Amino acid sequence: GNSVTQMEGPVTLSEEAFLTINCTYTATGYPSLFWYVQYPGEGLQLLLKATKADDKGSNKGFEATYRKETTSFHLEKGSVQVSDSAVYFCALSDRNSGSRLTFGEGTQLTVNP
Amino acid sequence: GAGVSQTPSNKVTEKGKYVELRCDPISGHTALYWYRQSLGQGPEFLIYFQGTGAADDSGLPNDRFFAVRPEGSVSTLKIQRTERGDSAVYLCASSLPDGDPRFFGPGTRLTVL
Repeated sequence: GNSVTQMEGPVTLSEEAFLTINCTYTATGYPSLFWYVQYPGEGLQLLLKATKADDKGSNKGFEATYRKETTSFHLEKGSVQVSDSAVYFCALSDRNSGSRLTFGEGTQLTVNP
Repeated sequence: GAGVSQTPSNKVTEKGKYVELRCDPISGHTALYWYRQSLGQGPEFLIYFQGTGAADDSGLPNDRFFAVRPEGSVSTLKIQRTERGDSAVYLCASSLPDGDPRFFGPGTRLTVL
């Protein structure tokens, strides 16, 4: 079956630090990959996605590249802000699993001023 | 426009009781999804509707869980004979038929005492 593994949190950084949150996956098909973000008190929001190998998803300064050879989709941002404090979820979907998303456990990010 | 809304935002019940959780999707979204998120975990798929019918209910944990969407809009997740292990945040999402992107509601936090 499908599974997603994220680096364990929580992660605490100072403002303007570089961020990496690791994500690796196992899938029976050829998946699409996603990063979702959950700000305090809000619902999950799609942050970025990539649908094929070597695609790079980007949004709000965040980037992630679909690496089929390492089955990874690591999230990066060059300079984090306090407003980036949230929980980040890596997820995948593929045709074999229909319309379901398979999520990782989430990584809590706290950015201090 | 309005996003996905869920009611109630919080529900506290006693073991053995029956509960209903409601989801109002974005107008025009034919696809609707329910997920369950336990503390410290990523969301887990429960059921997916396309229109009025459940296209995939393979994530429902047992026959105490049931969901309906009689008019292809609002959906109700029903849990019979609640157990303490049912305590979680129940998330609803909706999308256009192609499933991408999915818009999530803020969730209903269910606590079974």
